Order: sequence, then structure tokens, then C-alpha cells
Amino acid sequence: DAKTTQPNSMESNEEEPVHLPCNHSTISGTDYIHWYRQLPSQGPEYVIHGLTSNVNNRMASLAIAEDRKSSTLILHRATLRDAAVYYCILFNSGNTPLVFGKGTRLSVIA
Amino acid sequence: EAQVTQNPRYLITVTGKKLTVTCSQNMNHEYMSWYRQDPGLGLRQIYYSMNVEVTDKGDVPEGYKVSRKEKRNFPLILESPSPNQTSLYFCASSLFKGGGYTFGSGTRLTVV
Repeated sequence: DAKTTQPNSMESNEEEPVHLPCNHSTISGTDYIHWYRQLPSQGPEYVIHGLTSNVNNRMASLAIAEDRKSSTLILHRATLRDAAVYYCILFNSGNTPLVFGKGTRLSVIA
Repeated sequence: EAQVTQNPRYLITVTGKKLTVTCSQNMNHEYMSWYRQDPGLGLRQIYYSMNVEVTDKGDVPEGYKVSRKEKRNFPLILESPSPNQTSLYFCASSLFKGGGYTFGSGTRLTVV
């Protein structure tokens, strides 16, 4: 399975942008890049996904490097409710299902 | 509301007593999956199903069974639960072609 590497933890101030990095140097051409987050005591929540182009939705933006070996999840204005573990996952829709790594624990400081 | 519903939310049982955790989705998703989450080990996949009557093992299938007789339901069966199956369980569903997954709220199982 293609692997991802994320920092164990990050910290952000409230109302500031947050850039969560993910490296996936062994990504294949058919792998989608998915991001999920898990708030305390809840199930994982889908955030965003993309294949090659940058993506935006109401929750976040996903910036994908041109060679696709890395990506960055961007939260434009962090709030206290964004404190969670964020998972970057490679998903090959034609084959294996989601495989969760350790993720990045984001702390937001008021 | 589009959702994945798991029941029960909490369950305490004794070793060896068969139990079933139900999972149902109302989004007509083809793909469904079960995960367990343990401290320090993260989320690990137990079983998944790509469609009705199509199931396959994930990373930690031992001690579990599943069935997919209809599209909306994907129950997780523990025929003879043991204490090492004490965990937090999540069901998830998705459209097959690379879409985002919707997760249930979780079932916290304790086997004593």
C-alpha cells in the first residue's frame, strides 16, 4: 500500500490559517488523496479529496504538488472546533479501501 | 439526513456470548466497511464490502464475521467475543468510485 507521512502534531492560533502537510512519495497514478479528521469522541469525518488539481470546499482547501508526491490541507481560519486528528490517506478506488495512519493532532489555541 | 447508523452505541458483554453490531446507511452506497480503533494503534479495517454479497477481509478480520445481504445493511458479528475485542468500532460507507466516506458514530464494545 502507498504510505503517507504526516507530522505527529501541530499547533495553531485561533482565527489563523493552518497548513497541514502530507508526504506521499510512492503515490500511484490512480491514487486519490483523501483527508479526514476525527474530533474527540466522534467518528472520522470526511474533509476533502482530490486527484491532481487543487480542490476547495466549504471546510477546507487541498493543495496538491505538481508531482503529486505531497499535498497540504489548508484550513483558512482555524477555530477551536477544528481541534482534531487529521488523516491524510491515499485511496485507490479500484482496489483497496481506506487505510488510516497515525495522523496529525491539531491543537488550536484561543 | 444522509447518515450511517450504528447500534448499539455502547455494549458490555461476556466472553463467548455471540453478538451483532448493526450498521445501516441511507445513501444507496455500494461500499461499506468496518473499522476498530484502539489507543496507540489508530483505525484498522476489519472487513469491507464492495457490493451486495461481496465481502473481503481487511487488516484484522480474525474473530469477526460480516454479511451483506442487502445494500443498506452491513452487520458485524462476533461469534465468540474475547476481551481483546474490547474496542471502539466504526462503520463507514461510500460510493465505490473514490468518493468521500461517511462514518457512523461508533460502538464502544467491552468484553469481560
